[in-house]
Amino acid sequence: DVKVTQSSRYLVKRTGEKVFLECVQDMDHENMFWYRQDPGLGLRLIYFSYDVKMKEKGDIPEGYSVSREKKERFSLILESASTNQTSMYLCASSFSGYYGYTFGSGTRLTVV
Amino acid sequence: GNSVTQMEGPVTLSEEAFLTINCTYTATGYPSLFWYVQYPGEGLQLLLKATKADDKGSNKGFEATYRKETTSFHLEKGSVQVSDSAVYFCALTGGGSSNTGKLIFGQGTTLQVKP
Repeated sequence: DVKVTQSSRYLVKRTGEKVFLECVQDMDHENMFWYRQDPGLGLRLIYFSYDVKMKEKGDIPEGYSVSREKKERFSLILESASTNQTSMYLCASSFSGYYGYTFGSGTRLTVV
Repeated sequence: GNSVTQMEGPVTLSEEAFLTINCTYTATGYPSLFWYVQYPGEGLQLLLKATKADDKGSNKGFEATYRKETTSFHLEKGSVQVSDSAVYFCALTGGGSSNTGKLIFGQGTTLQVKP
């Protein structure tokens, strides 16, 4: 069964820490995406990548960066975590938009 | 730009009731349309999709028909179960030659089914 795996289901970090959220897919997909999900705001695209070492900003990239050194792995980095980054983070991958995405189970991050 | 509008929730139904969740869209060209479901504490799962006008996507008793004339993709199920309680998202990828593959989501509709 195809999979997108996010390394942590729950994470608690302190304000100012550098936080890494890892996402790995085993489907040889070119495209990978990071979203955050907040009550009342739906899903908002943070960053996406169409190829290795390539990245593009989504709708809310401020305070985040990404890394894609290998095709199967797409990391989201919170440079200096803040309490307003407390959220559910969802990673997804796709072969093409025509087929839709496969999502990971999500990481619920709490910044205290 | 492209957008998706879903009916606001929550939708509360009794078990075995008929379900409709409305979804309309704005897009250029011929987008692909999707319904995703999110169970509590989980990520999103693809429920069904349709890639051209008049296509009907179906899965687990849910159906949705791609209606280009009304720009709609309403989700229906004839008899809901308690286990269908979840958040449902309508989504599209942009049609036309500029399809970047990015999914555009509606706000989500919470469905609660009571025994």
